Amino acid sequence: DGGITQSPKYLFRKEGQNVTLSCEQNLNHDAMYWYRQDPGQGLRLIYYSQIVNDFQKGDIAEGYSVSREKKESFPLTVTSAQKNPTAFYLCASSFQEGTGYTFGSGTRLTVV
Amino acid sequence: GENVEQHPSTLSVQEGDSAVIKCTYSDSASNYFPWYKQELGKGPQLIIDIRSNVGEKKDQRIAVTLNKTAKHFSLHITETQPEDSAVYFCAASNTNAGKSTFGDGTTLTVKP
Repeated sequence: DGGITQSPKYLFRKEGQNVTLSCEQNLNHDAMYWYRQDPGQGLRLIYYSQIVNDFQKGDIAEGYSVSREKKESFPLTVTSAQKNPTAFYLCASSFQEGTGYTFGSGTRLTVV
Repeated sequence: GENVEQHPSTLSVQEGDSAVIKCTYSDSASNYFPWYKQELGKGPQLIIDIRSNVGEKKDQRIAVTLNKTAKHFSLHITETQPEDSAVYFCAASNTNAGKSTFGDGTTLTVKP
C-alpha cells in the first residue's frame, strides 16, 4: 500500500540535543512538507521541498534543518537552537502544489 | 502572500443537524481549495476539494461551495454523526505558490 510514514510516533530528548525525525513516502510524490502543530493550534509550515536537492524555508524555519537527497525521504532535524521544540510534527507530501496533501500520522516530540 | 481566515473556531451541533464552516482567502491567484479532517492524535486527511473553475462539489454528506468573487469557500456537512467530531482545516493554494496556506482550524463537536 502506498503511504507516508513518520517515525518514531513518540520521541523524548534532553534539552540541548539535536534530534532527527524521519519521513518516508512511497507515493511517488514530488513535493514534501514539514508542519509543526502545538496543542489546540493550527499547522505552521517549517520547511518544504518541491524537488530533490532543493528546499525552502517556511514560516518557522529557525532552529530546524532538512535535507532532500532522495525523492522518497525528507528528514527533519530539530536542533538545540530551537527554543521550544516540544510539539506534534507532521510530514506531508503531494504530486505538486495545487493538489491535495497526504499527511503522515505524526511524531510527538517531548524535550525535557 | 496568501492569508486564510477560518470561522468559527469551535462549533457544536446536535446529531443529525447540519454544520457549516467558512473560510476566506486573500490571493485571487489561488485556484485550489482542499478541506482536511484531523482526528485526535492523527494526521489530517483530505476529505474534499474544489478548484476555481467549479462552484460546488458534493460527496455524500459533505459539500464545498466556492465564491471566487467574494473570495470565500465553505464546507457543509449534513446529517452530522458523532464520528464527524474532529478538527477541520481549510486551505488555499495555487500551482505557483509552492505551498498551501491553511486556516487555523475548526473544532466540530457532534453531540449524540
